[in-house]
Amino acid sequence: AQTVTQSQPEMSVQEAETVTLSCTYDTSESDYYLFWYKQPPSRQMILVIRQEAYKQQNATENRFSVNFQKAAKSFSLKISDSQLGDAAMYFCAYRSFFTSGTYKYIFGTGTRLKVLA
Amino acid sequence: NAGVTQTPKFQVLKTGQSMTLQCAQDMNHEYMSWYRQDPGMGLRLIHYSVGAGITDQGEVPNGYNVSRSTTEDFPLRLLSAAPSQTSVYFCASGVDLNQPQHFGDGTRLSIL
Repeated sequence: AQTVTQSQPEMSVQEAETVTLSCTYDTSESDYYLFWYKQPPSRQMILVIRQEAYKQQNATENRFSVNFQKAAKSFSLKISDSQLGDAAMYFCAYRSFFTSGTYKYIFGTGTRLKVLA
Repeated sequence: NAGVTQTPKFQVLKTGQSMTLQCAQDMNHEYMSWYRQDPGMGLRLIHYSVGAGITDQGEVPNGYNVSRSTTEDFPLRLLSAAPSQTSVYFCASGVDLNQPQHFGDGTRLSIL
């Protein structure tokens, strides 16, 4: 069964600095999608970035970028020039092929990011 | 465009009571799902649907029922509430699972 592991329950970063959140996953699939979602205190889940496994190029979205290492099954999120508004819980998610023939998402347990002024 | 709307936002129940959490989306998404979020456990899939009339179980389906009579609505029913079902519940929808999922604002449910 596929699993998603976020080994850092909490991280801190100084404002304007760069931070990297880790995510590893386990799968036997060759084609899949990976996502990072942000959950601020408002509780709403917001998509940060998406990566297709068949693409070699790492996805980038403004200050957010990923380091996708397919062979190592690693999908880390880098936040550059951190801002106070980046403070949130960040979830890594994997789109998994379910044994019933359909797909589902598997989420990691999350990393709480604190941004220090 | 309202996106995904969940009601209620907060609810307190007594053990043994039943209730329905509502979820509606106006984006004509085929895929809808329900998650529960507990501290230290991330999001866990309860039930999901790939289209009207089609539902399936996720990781933690026990104690919950769903139905999908229309594309827009995907209610989650608690049959007999238990304290272990105290959680925050999220509904999500998407064109398909290769696309980002749109989440509702969540329902905080407490079972006494």
